[in-house]
Amino acid sequence: GQQVMQIPQYQHVQEGEDFTTYCNSSTTLSNIQWYKQRPGGHPVFLIQLVKSGEVKKQKRLTFQFGEAKKNSSLHITATQTTDVGTYFCAGKGGATNKLIFGTGTLLAVQP
Amino acid sequence: NAGVTQTPKFQVLKTGQSMTLQCAQDMNHEYMSWYRQDPGMGLRLIHYSVGAGITDQGEVPNGYNVSRSTTEDFPLRLLSAAPSQTSVYFCASSYQGALGYTFGSGTRLTVV
Repeated sequence: GQQVMQIPQYQHVQEGEDFTTYCNSSTTLSNIQWYKQRPGGHPVFLIQLVKSGEVKKQKRLTFQFGEAKKNSSLHITATQTTDVGTYFCAGKGGATNKLIFGTGTLLAVQP
Repeated sequence: NAGVTQTPKFQVLKTGQSMTLQCAQDMNHEYMSWYRQDPGMGLRLIHYSVGAGITDQGEVPNGYNVSRSTTEDFPLRLLSAAPSQTSVYFCASSYQGALGYTFGSGTRLTVV
């Protein structure tokens, strides 16, 4: 079945440093979504990418969808302590309606 | 709007007991899903529904049943609880699956 992996599993940065998490799917995706989960909270939807090679920005966050629609990345510029949490990618493969989540990347930011 | 409401927030069950986790949304979303979250394993899809009367299995459906008699409600039934079902359960909904999912605040279930 469809599998979605993320690397790294954990990243510890100093406040002000950049951060990137990578998402790789075993199958071609129709779209990719990104979520953020704060410690003890629930996942919150950030953005959806649909087109091959698409790049979207939200303030300091840059999201990219690969040309083959099998990978994606999230880059945070100049991290802040408010960026702490686990970032998940999630994708739907082919004609399925199943939204499969990646394994997540836990970001810790030291002030 | 309340969004996605899950009850209860916490539950302790004995092995072999059954129970139903409730999920309701007031956004008229067609798509609803149940996920479980275990440490280091991300969110795994249990069951999902694309509309009233339609349900399908996710990645880890064994031991769980669902039904979707109305657009608003999507209960998850544990038939005979096992310690391996100790987890945090999230319900989520989306408008036709075309946009992001809105998650409930979760139910933390412990099976002893």
